[in-house]
Amino acid sequence: QQPVQSPQAVILREGEDAVINCSSSKALYSVHWYRQKHGEAPVFLMILLKGGEQKGHEKISASFNEKKQQSSLYLTASQLSYSGTYFCGTETGSQGNLIFGKGTKLSVKP
Amino acid sequence: DAGVTQSPTHLIKTRGQHVTLRCSPISGHKSVSWYQQVLGQGPQFIFQYYEKEERGRGNFPDRFSARQFPNYSSELNVNALLLGDSALYLCASSLRQDGNQPQHFGDGTRLSIL
Repeated sequence: QQPVQSPQAVILREGEDAVINCSSSKALYSVHWYRQKHGEAPVFLMILLKGGEQKGHEKISASFNEKKQQSSLYLTASQLSYSGTYFCGTETGSQGNLIFGKGTKLSVKP
Repeated sequence: DAGVTQSPTHLIKTRGQHVTLRCSPISGHKSVSWYQQVLGQGPQFIFQYYEKEERGRGNFPDRFSARQFPNYSSELNVNALLLGDSALYLCASSLRQDGNQPQHFGDGTRLSIL
């Protein structure tokens, strides 16, 4: 079951904050976040695991509500380089088979 | 260190032909996954291989097959190509199979079917 991301798109000015949400109808083992710029490969940002463990970049923060099967990615003090499409990938077991959402397109303007 | 490398970068085929896409994982990574990404959509899971065995398969027809070699590189084969197979095919590698490992993507192979 594909996770649902919201919003579909967001436009920010440099320095503004944004929250991107990812919701699943199934119990999740982990949530992975990636950013993809146009014409490039997705780049790993963060993993959130059932039980609270997180792995990822220091400047990225996220949360994982296991009971609600929801995750949120927090982008603070946005920079132009934050522009791109953000994907969450969810996993219901521990096999590493990710199911990605449709993405959230983030545009940061000067 | 080299990242995930995929070849070729672009490929044009006609309907009914077959295609082989190749992927070399990051050194030391034993798991390789294949994804199909259609423009404007997220990557869609096709296969995962770990230690040369198939460990996961997405909702794709039997025309799609893959294998992993002893050096952990991988091939994705697609037979009887359809127009709808036009997409970016991404390979991702990770240290192990389990879901607490980040997957690192290659730049992909853009396949166009005429």
